[in-house]
Amino acid sequence: EDQVTQSPEALRLQEGESSSLNCSYTVSGLRGLFWYRQDPGKGPEFLFTLYSAGEEKEKERLKATLTKKESFLHITAPKPEDSATYLCAVQGVTSGGYQKVTFGTGTKLQVIP
Amino acid sequence: NAGVMQNPRHLVRRRGQEARLRCSPMKGHSHVYWYRQLPEEGLKFMVYLQKENIIDESGMPKERFSAEFPKEGPSILRIQQVVRGDSAAYFCASSHGQGQETQYFGPGTRLLVL
Repeated sequence: EDQVTQSPEALRLQEGESSSLNCSYTVSGLRGLFWYRQDPGKGPEFLFTLYSAGEEKEKERLKATLTKKESFLHITAPKPEDSATYLCAVQGVTSGGYQKVTFGTGTKLQVIP
Repeated sequence: NAGVMQNPRHLVRRRGQEARLRCSPMKGHSHVYWYRQLPEEGLKFMVYLQKENIIDESGMPKERFSAEFPKEGPSILRIQQVVRGDSAAYFCASSHGQGQETQYFGPGTRLLVL
């Protein structure tokens, strides 16, 4: 069974203090790794899709990287508006042949002014 | 630029009543996924549907829960005879198709069972 473990569960940063969120995974036949942002009371908002080890993607202050066993979401000089829960998910191949997505429980990030 | 739409956004039911949650996928998307999220927990997969077909319902409770995605109209997640443990946020996501497809989420329906 595919598994996704995110750490830390919660992270508190000062504004401007860069850090990284970790997503460790085990999956049969990785088809894609996804990062989402979720604000309280809202649905997950898509950030990135990574497909293969070594791939990197950036968006504003966020940069996602992927290895064969984990992914990192680097946050450079965060601002209070970056406060949210960040979800990681992996897409693997099931025995039925279709590609199922498994989510981690998220890292709750708080950026203090 | 309509994204995934869900309604109602909030639903209150008494124990034993039926809850019906609706999801309209993003324009051009024919694949729908339903997830449940409890407070402080991750998203739990429930069911994956294509038009008129259930592809995977392995995450759905065997009793009281059903889902459909008819040829016309939104996808429906139906919960019969609700119990307090059904209280949660239910999210729908859609994708264009199979392959390395990103799922885009709706705003969710928050179900409260009294």
